[in-house]
Amino acid sequence: DTGVSQDPRHKITKRGQNVTFRCDPISEHNRLYWYRQTLGQGPEFLTYFQNEAQLEKSRLLSDRFSAERPKGSFSTLEIQRTEQGDSAMYLCASSLAVGQGQDTQYFGPGTRLTVL
Amino acid sequence: AQSVTQLDSQVPVFEEAPVELRCNYSSSVSVYLFWYVQYPNQGLQLLLKYLSGSTLVKGINGFEAEFNKSQTSFHLRKPSVHISDTAEYFCAVTRTGTASKLTFGTGTRLQVTL
Repeated sequence: DTGVSQDPRHKITKRGQNVTFRCDPISEHNRLYWYRQTLGQGPEFLTYFQNEAQLEKSRLLSDRFSAERPKGSFSTLEIQRTEQGDSAMYLCASSLAVGQGQDTQYFGPGTRLTVL
Repeated sequence: AQSVTQLDSQVPVFEEAPVELRCNYSSSVSVYLFWYVQYPNQGLQLLLKYLSGSTLVKGINGFEAEFNKSQTSFHLRKPSVHISDTAEYFCAVTRTGTASKLTFGTGTRLQVTL
């Protein structure tokens, strides 16, 4: 049973560039979540999917951010026109859905984004 | 909406001493509670969770936590810490039965020294 994987682990980019991160959840998990963690803070929720449907988006997710999960498996998070304030650790987690008796989210190692 | 308060941003402790990391939450609905640990430059690892049943839950690495509904607390304890327990610890809540977003506290840095 492989865990949640994220790619890349580190990304350094210049302000104004676009970046895309990938998350592969645990294979049988149909829910996938994205969080952002800035230095010295706890993770903050960005968005989540059940299968390919995006069920909720945080107000933190500005129009420069977009997330997809086209086939209900892996997900991508894209940030357009990056700003220095986007520098953070981006965490992905997965879980089983409601009704299956499992409410535990399992996290990947994260992608550390640095915007210069 | 739910919120989580971790009052102690840092907790220094000597090796083999006991430790308690405090977590209080606020919610108008029933919640599930979690403790996660984060080592430097890594993701979050689940330590333990309270979903229902016994209010004393045991987790990995010798940690345990007690859910106190009247005091809206879920404090984490370990009777004897090790150097390798040095990490950031996060308390989190989510609404029961929804499998939706987690709301995290700001974390407590546990620093274990000899």
